[in-house]
Amino acid sequence: DAGVTQSPTHLIKTRGQQVTLRCSPKSGHDTVSWYQQALGQGPQFIFQYYEEEERQRGNFPDRFSGHQFPNYSSELNVNALLLGDSALYLCASSPGTGHSPLHFGNGTRLTVT
Amino acid sequence: QQPVQSPQAVILREGEDAVINCSSSKALYSVHWYRQKHGEAPVFLMILLKGGEQKGHDKISASFNEKKQQSSLYLTASQLSYSGTYFCGTQRRGNNNNDMRFGAGTRLTVKP
Repeated sequence: DAGVTQSPTHLIKTRGQQVTLRCSPKSGHDTVSWYQQALGQGPQFIFQYYEEEERQRGNFPDRFSGHQFPNYSSELNVNALLLGDSALYLCASSPGTGHSPLHFGNGTRLTVT
Repeated sequence: QQPVQSPQAVILREGEDAVINCSSSKALYSVHWYRQKHGEAPVFLMILLKGGEQKGHDKISASFNEKKQQSSLYLTASQLSYSGTYFCGTQRRGNNNNDMRFGAGTRLTVKP
């Protein structure tokens, strides 16, 4: 039973560029949440997708957008990259939108130069 | 809105005990605890849904004081495998999993 998978594992981009990160949830999970984790910090909530819609959003600018597909996989898009966007981006899946544990992927390490 | 964790870091010898605290300024509905080892994804430890609820997982247990909006994680007779960064995640009343807020983490190092 595959867990949460994210791709790519590492990415280097230049300031101003755009990036797309991908996530496949754990089998049986239909809800995907995205988090940004800066070095030495806790994960910061970006947004969550359920039934192909953005359900909740954290304190992130519109440069951060996402999408969920019918198979529950999800993408995180970041436009006009800033140096401060360099971080580990974590995808977490869960069944439904209740108080279930989050299952995290290993993340995508994004470096903006 | 993020919970506050303390201490920021703990260094233990094998067999020693530790307590990690998590507090929020907002009324909480639930508290989750996760452990993240270096270079790995956070792993779920336990969830506490009711005030006063205590849960255990091997020699790791936790409590949730709903009135004080606080949770504590207890690690007893620590093992080398307990090393990692521990995060509490909180959900406020009226919210569900959509809005999980994490603390800055507590780095635990267990030495032989």
